[in-house]
Amino acid sequence: AQSVTQPDIHITVSEGASLELRCNYSYGATPYLFWYVQSPGQGLQLLLKYFSGDTLVQGIKGFEAEFKRSQSSFNLRKPSVHWSDAAEYFCAVLYSSASKIIFGSGTRLSIRP
Amino acid sequence: DGGITQSPKYLFRKEGQNVTLSCEQNLNHDAMYWYRQDPGQGLRLIYYSQIVNDFQKGDIAEGYSVSREKKESFPLTVTSAQKNPTAFYLCASTLDRGGSPLHFGNGTRLTVT
Repeated sequence: AQSVTQPDIHITVSEGASLELRCNYSYGATPYLFWYVQSPGQGLQLLLKYFSGDTLVQGIKGFEAEFKRSQSSFNLRKPSVHWSDAAEYFCAVLYSSASKIIFGSGTRLSIRP
Repeated sequence: DGGITQSPKYLFRKEGQNVTLSCEQNLNHDAMYWYRQDPGQGLRLIYYSQIVNDFQKGDIAEGYSVSREKKESFPLTVTSAQKNPTAFYLCASTLDRGGSPLHFGNGTRLTVT
C-alpha cells in the first residue's frame, strides 16, 4: 500500500541551529512530493513541492528539501531555525496513478531559546 | 483574495445531533477534500470530489455525508452515526491536475458532548 512515513513525532532544536525533518514514502512511479506546515488551530500552508528536475527544491521561509529516489526520501531542511518555525510539519505524496494526496503523521517542531 | 473559507471556526453539538460544516472556495478549483485531524494521527481523508455532482469516499467515510451541488461549495455533514465526531476538520481544494498542491482552509473544531 502507498504510504508516507515521518519517523520523528517530536523534535526540539535550539534557535539558530540547523534542522532536518525526515520523510520516506513507499515506492511508486512518478511521485509528486510536498511539505506543509501547520500552526496550532490553523490550516496547512504549502512550504515547497517537488515534481521533477532538480532534486533540491527551495521553498518559502528559508526551507529546502532534497528528493532522493534511491532512498525514497524527501527530507526537509533549514540551515538556521527561528522561534517562529515552531509548528507541525507534514510530508505528503501524490502518485500519478492516484487521485488523492497521502499525508504523513506529522512532526512537531519545538524551538529551544 | 482567493481562498477557502470554513465556517464556523468552533462548533459545539450535543450527541445524537447531525451537524453540517461549511466549506467555500473562490479559487475556481475542480477538486475539493475533507480531512479529519486528531492528535498524533495526521490527516485522514473523509470524502473528496473531483467534479460537481460527484464524490468518492475516503479512508474514514463512515458516519459522514457530503454534497457537491456547486463547484464552489463542499459541505460536510457529521451524522449521529459517527462514533467519535469530536475533532478538527480541514477542507482543501486543488486544480486536480499535474500534481497541483492542496490549498487548505483554516479548519473547524467540532466538539460533541
